[in-house]
Amino acid sequence: EAQLLESGGGLVQPGGSLRLSCTASGFTFSNYAITWVRQAPGKGLEWVSGINSNGGLTYYADPVKGRFTISRDNSKNTVFLQMNSLRVEDMAVYYCARGLTSLGDIWGLGTMVTVSS
Amino acid sequence: DVVMTQSPLSLPVTLGQPASISCRSSQSLVHSDGNTYLTWFQQRPGQSPRRLIYKVSKWDSGVPDRFSGSGSGTDFTLKISRVEAEDVGVYYCMQGTHWPRTFGQGTKLEIK
Repeated sequence: EAQLLESGGGLVQPGGSLRLSCTASGFTFSNYAITWVRQAPGKGLEWVSGINSNGGLTYYADPVKGRFTISRDNSKNTVFLQMNSLRVEDMAVYYCARGLTSLGDIWGLGTMVTVSS
Repeated sequence: DVVMTQSPLSLPVTLGQPASISCRSSQSLVHSDGNTYLTWFQQRPGQSPRRLIYKVSKWDSGVPDRFSGSGSGTDFTLKISRVEAEDVGVYYCMQGTHWPRTFGQGTKLEIK
């Protein structure tokens, strides 16, 4: 069964950093793009970043551009989201999903990022 | 950025009755490759989102056929022919044609 599993969330102070991971299983990971989507508590879905299948193309939402970096290691079936200079408004559940255009045939369970002093 | 506007934002429905959600985009979602990348998601309480419909009207595997998607250009609709209790949740449209990708605000479906 094709699955995605996020990890790396936690509590961080404003200005701090976290690295999220999205690990895939059950499908040929290197054939697929991956997207990060976040959801602040009680709010809607917000697209954050995406990366194509070989890692050569990356995309970012304006609120995270210059602070977040997406990358992938196809040998480890994993996509990373390095998050620096975290702000209170970055606090959310972060999901990874398969795809870039008609994304989301597979979603992970999400990982919570809490930004608080 | 392309703004996705859903209506209504709250949708109380009687069991067995139909329901309809509108999604309008601020720009045409027709891609240069000829496809229209409009996707519908369902998010049940406490769960991850689930893709229901992609490319306007294509069903995902396992999605009941009481769900259907339609529309073109900037105007799209998700219809549920007969609402069941398991349909409770929030429904989102999303465009995958332009960067950055953008979601609608969400429509909360509840049983009357």
